[in-house]
Amino acid sequence: AQSVTQPDIHITVSEGASLELRCNYSYGATPYLFWYVQSPGQGLQLLLKYFSGDTLVQGIKGFEAEFKRSQSSFNLRKPSVHWSDAAEYFCAVGGTGGTYKYIFGTGTRLKVLA
Amino acid sequence: EAGVAQSPRYKIIEKRQSVAFWCNPISGHATLYWYQQILGQGPKLLIQFQNNGVVDDSQLPKDRFSAERLKGVDSTLKIQPAKLEDSAVYLCASSYPGGDEKLFFGSGTQLSVL
Repeated sequence: AQSVTQPDIHITVSEGASLELRCNYSYGATPYLFWYVQSPGQGLQLLLKYFSGDTLVQGIKGFEAEFKRSQSSFNLRKPSVHWSDAAEYFCAVGGTGGTYKYIFGTGTRLKVLA
Repeated sequence: EAGVAQSPRYKIIEKRQSVAFWCNPISGHATLYWYQQILGQGPKLLIQFQNNGVVDDSQLPKDRFSAERLKGVDSTLKIQPAKLEDSAVYLCASSYPGGDEKLFFGSGTQLSVL
């Protein structure tokens, strides 16, 4: 069955520190992979996506993610976190032939210390 | 460009009452999605429309939930009768055909069933 696992429910980092949010997926074929961010009271916003090609993808707000097929992972990284990055981050997998269906992970809530 | 509009922003009802949510997608977006996001979980797809046809409603509790998208533009999601476990944020999203399958989300309707 298709699934997405985000093992970290909460992460706290200091402003300026590096960040890595983990995402593991289970999917029968090469998946489409996404990271979305949700600020309090807001809808989700796409940070970046992977469809094919270069396994290191760049997104908005200085985020990047690396697709590792051998580990079934798509971890999100940022070299230096800003206070405004505090939010909830969702990894999603999609691409079910014909109809485009996303499966979201349970999210990781990021707290940034000043 | 106007975003995905949803109303109301908040709704409080008692169990067994009915409630309706409205969504107006971005102009030109043929695909419309309704997601349910329970506190502490990732969004779960309830129903997906392509224009005014249903593409996927496999996770919609059809005994109490219904949705329509007349004329292929705005959409209404209804719950009748509501249960306590329906308390959640209901997110509407839209996407355009032939694009990169990016979802554009509204801010959601937060439903509390007492």
